Amino acid sequence: QVQLQESGPGLVKPSEALSLTCTVSGGSLSSFYWSWIRQPPGKGLEWVGCIYFSGSTKYNPSLKSRLSISVDMSKNHFSLRLTSVTAADTAVYYCARGGAVEALDYWGQGALVTVPS
Amino acid sequence: QSVLTQPPSASGTPGQRVTISCSGGSSNIGSNTVNWYQQLPGRAPKLLIYSNSLRPSGVPDRFSGSKSGTSASLAISGLQSEDEADYYCAAWDDSLDGPGVFGGGTKLTVL
Repeated sequence: QVQLQESGPGLVKPSEALSLTCTVSGGSLSSFYWSWIRQPPGKGLEWVGCIYFSGSTKYNPSLKSRLSISVDMSKNHFSLRLTSVTAADTAVYYCARGGAVEALDYWGQGALVTVPS
Repeated sequence: QSVLTQPPSASGTPGQRVTISCSGGSSNIGSNTVNWYQQLPGRAPKLLIYSNSLRPSGVPDRFSGSKSGTSASLAISGLQSEDEADYYCAAWDDSLDGPGVFGGGTKLTVL
């Protein structure tokens, strides 16, 4: 059974960078897209971006200038870095398997990241 | 403003059949498959329907999906109290070259 676990700081200062890692267990990163999705408190889901195991990325156009997603096959994890954060980036960040045309079939439990205003 | 449009709320009584719509355009639903996710309160989303109408293992057959043109629908028959949740449709959008797009979500209340 594939399991995903997000990790990273729960509090990030305004203008700094938000970094999260998603560690995958029970399966390989190979042959799949891997996604980051976020959900501001009380709001809907927003697809942040995704990365293919080969390293090819697809970013949400509204976040593209601040966003970087990378993959580390040796550690079986992928990571998110979002720069110049503001309070609007406060959200629960989920990682999931899938992206683009692939359904998101496995999800992490989510990690709350708060950027104080 | 979401690329895919869903009604913000829906409701039904136990045993009833409820449908949730998802409207898009030619670059997303019109040319790609639709997936549906269920998010129970305080939980991570879960894949409910993929490729328009297929159910992952373990999803009851009370849940069904369909697609026609640039719209899709999720139907829940024999409504149960544990179906009270938020439901999201999603698809890839060719014109954006992004990761995918979600609908705004529909909060289903079981009366």
